[in-house]
Amino acid sequence: GAGVSQSPSNKVTEKGKDVELRCDPISGHTALYWYRQSLGQGLEFLIYFQGNSAPDKSGLPSDRFSAERTGGSVSTLTIQRTQQEDSAVYLCASSLAPREAFFGQGTRLTVV
Amino acid sequence: KQEVTQIPAALSVPEGENLVLNCSFTDSAIYNLQWFRQDPGKGLTSLLLIQSSQREQTSGRLNASLDKSSGRSTLYIAASQPGDSATYLCAVRFSGGSNYKLTFGKGTLLTVNP
Repeated sequence: GAGVSQSPSNKVTEKGKDVELRCDPISGHTALYWYRQSLGQGLEFLIYFQGNSAPDKSGLPSDRFSAERTGGSVSTLTIQRTQQEDSAVYLCASSLAPREAFFGQGTRLTVV
Repeated sequence: KQEVTQIPAALSVPEGENLVLNCSFTDSAIYNLQWFRQDPGKGLTSLLLIQSSQREQTSGRLNASLDKSSGRSTLYIAASQPGDSATYLCAVRFSGGSNYKLTFGKGTLLTVNP
């Protein structure tokens, strides 16, 4: 596609359930980023993938969070045993690192 | 610690006014700096990317400048319009290794009043 695509756009889940968020980057982009934006807060870095290098996971807030990138393209962010504080907008971006980054529209996660 | 700060947090101007948004960063060793806008409930839209070797970039009514030595960038918006109302975010790629992650400021909420 022409841009970064994220799905679902909205997700409501019960506390304790696992969720998977998907990101389809722009074709050919080697770098992929996940960020989290909580209500009224700035963008919090979660994880960064660059080609075949080991991902930078330094921003993942707990071991309930994990992400993978298959075939250097699609990425999935998984949150296990969701908590209410996980409610936020999860944003994905891609780039030909270190060039201009392009963001998707985000997934709004609500944990009830 | 590598940080990005944006001042002011909010700005309200009348339509037609020229305005400047500020971004400062703590480490002058950067790859590049990118300005984004975010409309409510939406993702981020890229506005301008300035490489570390550049002093400024222009796109339409927008002009972004970069002064690495002082750790500052400004986004100048000419002849502001109500449609420019949004949150403007500054993001920096700091040098060091091959990690090209973006470090964001908290943004400036701009309101342009008709």
